[in-house]
Amino acid sequence: DAGVIQSPRHEVTEMGQEVTLRCKLISGHNSLFWYRQTMMRGLELLIYFNNNVPIDDSGMPEDRFSAKMPNASFSTLKIQPSEPRDSAVYFCAQGDSNTEAFFGQGTRLTVV
Amino acid sequence: KQEVTQIPAALSVPEGENLVLNCSFTDSAIYNLQWFRQDPGKGLTSLLLIQSSQREQTSGRLNASLDKSSGRSTLYIAASQPGDSATYLCAVSGGGNKLTFGTGTQLKVEL
Repeated sequence: DAGVIQSPRHEVTEMGQEVTLRCKLISGHNSLFWYRQTMMRGLELLIYFNNNVPIDDSGMPEDRFSAKMPNASFSTLKIQPSEPRDSAVYFCAQGDSNTEAFFGQGTRLTVV
Repeated sequence: KQEVTQIPAALSVPEGENLVLNCSFTDSAIYNLQWFRQDPGKGLTSLLLIQSSQREQTSGRLNASLDKSSGRSTLYIAASQPGDSATYLCAVSGGGNKLTFGTGTQLKVEL
């Protein structure tokens, strides 16, 4: 069990380009979360899934952001088109109700 | 809307000291509270999870307490070591394991 694995670890892209962040998950957990971390705003929940179904996407900044969970072991977060203000570290995390959350190592996104 | 505050924002102590990190939250209707550690450039590692019905949890040199009615939690670190240097984050769950995070306490333990 290698834990939650995110790829890429670092991404530098030009404004306007599409960015896809990936998260490979540990089996046996029902909930999947995408967070964004910045110096100014700290850790913010973007969206969470339960049993592969999006439950709450109220934290997604705008329509440029979308997330999918095609199966219990994989999720993606897409930004199209990307903007400089999207630069942040993006984390995915797994957990069940009332259990500890397991975080990936994060993807550091820089949009220039 | 739940708000989580951590005090102090940064702390520097000599090795061997016992220390306390504070976390407060505005809405006491929580399911649980977690303390995490984050090393630079790394993800978050869960340290302790306290359910809303519990008052404290211990793991090694770490002890976390929870006073749900007053909206407070503390993380006590005994006999601090340089390896404890990291950012410590508390997070509360309002259900479905949706976590609201504090801004963290950056700890430095010096030799």
